Amino acid sequence: TQLLEQSPQFLSIQEGENLTVYCNSSSVFSSLQWYRQEPGEGPVLLVTVVTGGEVKKLKRLTFQFGDARKDSSLHITAAQPGDTGLYLCAGAYSGNTGKLIFGQGTTLQVKP
Amino acid sequence: GAGVSQTPSNKVTEKGKYVELRCDPISGHTALYWYRQSLGQGPEFLIYFQGTGAADDSGLPNDRFFAVRPEGSVSTLKIQRTERGDSAVYLCASSATIPVGGPQFFGPGTRLTVL
Repeated sequence: TQLLEQSPQFLSIQEGENLTVYCNSSSVFSSLQWYRQEPGEGPVLLVTVVTGGEVKKLKRLTFQFGDARKDSSLHITAAQPGDTGLYLCAGAYSGNTGKLIFGQGTTLQVKP
Repeated sequence: GAGVSQTPSNKVTEKGKYVELRCDPISGHTALYWYRQSLGQGPEFLIYFQGTGAADDSGLPNDRFFAVRPEGSVSTLKIQRTERGDSAVYLCASSATIPVGGPQFFGPGTRLTVL
């Protein structure tokens, strides 16, 4: 059972374009994290969102946590080839041990 | 180094064999996690240690999988009677923080191939 659905699974765009990745669930999470993973490496944390409706910005990346804490989005403005990679959302439940439930990931390719 | 390290980086074995995968977490991190990532998928939780004890092993797929962390630092994931379906990248992560949802720092993974 996939508790976190990410869409799209694959995205190939030209440099300079904008894009949005979605992460949806029927479950409520205490927090949601976004990671980026390069081939042959482990995921690297980009951001953690905790409060419903929260918006965080990291340079050209904007992260939003849904009001009900069931969904999140990642928006990239003016994508660059260096943004290429696998983007993963991961949720943590309240009272949990801290284990993360990951989505299946979005593979982003930005062409120069 | 300052990050999480995992050895070996690659392991090829034959069906039915026993393998051990090692994780060296960031010094001082009390929480340690093992995940498994299949091709084209996100990581899947296996087991969580707080100190020396396994606080949550609900993700271990069956009794062929076992993990230890005897001194509260290095951890070893052990797989008995390997099957082709065990082929995946095994990721280890460590974290210094409680409460829930603190950042986890991942190692590069061990790619296990069962022939």
